[in-house]
Amino acid sequence: NAGVTQTPKFQVLKTGQSMTLQCAQDMNHEYMSWYRQDPGMGLRLIHYSVGAGITDQGEVPNGYNVSRSTTEDFPLRLLSAAPSQTSVYFCASSPGTGGLGSYEQYFGPGTRLTVT
Amino acid sequence: AQSVTQPDIHITVSEGASLELRCNYSYGATPYLFWYVQSPGQGLQLLLKYFSGDTLVQGIKGFEAEFKRSQSSFNLRKPSVHWSDAAEYFCATPQGGGADGLTFGKGTHLIIQP
Repeated sequence: NAGVTQTPKFQVLKTGQSMTLQCAQDMNHEYMSWYRQDPGMGLRLIHYSVGAGITDQGEVPNGYNVSRSTTEDFPLRLLSAAPSQTSVYFCASSPGTGGLGSYEQYFGPGTRLTVT
Repeated sequence: AQSVTQPDIHITVSEGASLELRCNYSYGATPYLFWYVQSPGQGLQLLLKYFSGDTLVQGIKGFEAEFKRSQSSFNLRKPSVHWSDAAEYFCATPQGGGADGLTFGKGTHLIIQP
């Protein structure tokens, strides 16, 4: 199993450009999440999904869109990039099948995004 | 809402010395708690987790953590640190009632002195 994969690893955007960060998992996990990591802030939840076709907002959703058309994929879209979105983005998945293992998150390697 | 706090931004420890990283949680019932480690330029790796039962939890890489309800704490410990333990450590708890994402502490940066 590849686990959680993210592409690209690095990206530089100009203000106002749009792009999609890709995330895929091959563990048949129901739940997937996107986080951003900024120095001194820890990780903050952007959006999450509890299954195909179901998404919801996390702590910092503004400026980001998500959709979940399949169990495997959970792309994160930046519609009009801003310098404040310069960050490292992590995708994660969890089984979500009930029971204690539901809460454990498996993380991808991250995407480092710079917006100039 | 559930939350965790890591009071120490940086910790410096000599190689071979013992380590304790602090995590305090805010939740009424028994919380689910995690410790993750992030090496420079890497993603997050789960060190250990607590759901219920024994209050002393063993994890990978020689780490352990103790859940203390009376102190609302879940501190991470290691009896003897190695230079490779230098990393960022995060305490986390589920943000809501389901498996819909974690709330993280701001992290503790561990520096190992030779």
